[in-house]
Amino acid sequence: SYELTQPPSVSVSPGQPATITCSGDKLGGRYISWYQQKPGQSPMVIIYQDSKRPSGIPERISGSKSGNTAILTISGTQPMDEADYYCQAWDSSIVVFGGGTKVTVL
Amino acid sequence: QVQLVESGGGVVQPGGSLRLSCAASGFTFSSYTLHWVRQAPGNGLEWVALISYDGINKYYADSVKGRFTISRDNSKHTVSLEMGSLRAEDTAVYYCARNLPGGNVGLDCWGQGTLVTVSS
Repeated sequence: SYELTQPPSVSVSPGQPATITCSGDKLGGRYISWYQQKPGQSPMVIIYQDSKRPSGIPERISGSKSGNTAILTISGTQPMDEADYYCQAWDSSIVVFGGGTKVTVL
Repeated sequence: QVQLVESGGGVVQPGGSLRLSCAASGFTFSSYTLHWVRQAPGNGLEWVALISYDGINKYYADSVKGRFTISRDNSKHTVSLEMGSLRAEDTAVYYCARNLPGGNVGLDCWGQGTLVTVSS
């Protein structure tokens, strides 16, 4: 079965950039979405189609892809960005989520 | 505004059955593919199933195939998940989510979730 691999955790100082990677086989041919989930809340899409931001998502959140790795970047990380982040792709008609990355703002 | 509201969660014994429902409002329900996604306590997101806008195409995760059935009623704006032969590992919060228009793009709207606990 298809798998997406994310680092379990990322720590970042306030104001610094946070980078979360998501790797998977043949990722270049698949659209990636990213979701943010804060404790006790439902997930929220923050990036879709690799790099598009839904309305209301700040410009400091961006997505990119290089080869088999997708990257979520939060520039100027704020305490409010502390959350779990999940990447997601499709394998034919099946949806696959990465294991999630906990971002801690120290 | 776009809203998805799940219901039907609860405590069920192993081997039992449960039916979850998701009521949608604020958008043209019959135009969207819908998903069920679950999250076990302290764990990550696990996709469960999807149903196409017209109810014709249905896909399932291997972990639930043959035990769960997804369905929808476009006249009532609801999507359901019939769960059978439940196991302890099915314990999770179950979310209903809407697919973004345009195919394999992403899930743009999520409900608040409903908790299913499988325990004797």
